[in-house]
Amino acid sequence: GENVEQHPSTLSVQEGDSAVIKCTYSDSASNYFPWYKQELGKGPQLIIDIRSNVGEKKDQRIAVTLNKTAKHFSLHITETQPEDSAVYFCAASMGNTGGFKTIFGAGTRLFVKA
Amino acid sequence: GAVVSQHPSWVICKSGTSVKIECRSLDFQATTMFWYRQFPKQSLMLMATSNEGSKATYEQGVEKDKFLINHASLTLSTLTVTSAHPEDSSFYICSGGPGAFFGQGTRLTVV
Repeated sequence: GENVEQHPSTLSVQEGDSAVIKCTYSDSASNYFPWYKQELGKGPQLIIDIRSNVGEKKDQRIAVTLNKTAKHFSLHITETQPEDSAVYFCAASMGNTGGFKTIFGAGTRLFVKA
Repeated sequence: GAVVSQHPSWVICKSGTSVKIECRSLDFQATTMFWYRQFPKQSLMLMATSNEGSKATYEQGVEKDKFLINHASLTLSTLTVTSAHPEDSSFYICSGGPGAFFGQGTRLTVV
């Protein structure tokens, strides 16, 4: 089955700096890669996603890149703010129509210091 | 985006009792929903896939008789933790819909 690895497990940056989180996946059939932000005591919130037919996607300060050949995908947060502090999860799925299970990475705890 | 509502947000129960957690899709019909379990400072682990009108599919190592899943309608899936024990204390989260949107989660504490 699918296995998703995520690094680093903890990331501390200064406010205004960029943060990068990297993930790899094992199943070449996966074609949908969402990223989630989870705050303490809450469910994961989808912040951005990318499909396998796209190499890069950007939404304001957040961008994701996908290298399907290498089975790598990354989350980039620019101009970080203290409110970006949370746990971020990458995930992989075989589709985004709702019928495919999502496998998560271990998570990255991001600390943004003011 | 799709809205998934989960209830209750937290519950405390005595050891040996059963607890039901509800997951509703508010603006879409879900033939499939997913149940996850999350221990403190850990990732989400898929427990089972809930299929409307048929039996749930459980991941390896998950006891189907302990974690009963019912998906009787296109908008409601329930997870019942039967004969709960302290080791069942965890954060349970459901998801469904396009883009795999998640409910708010239910923190279960068994005392």
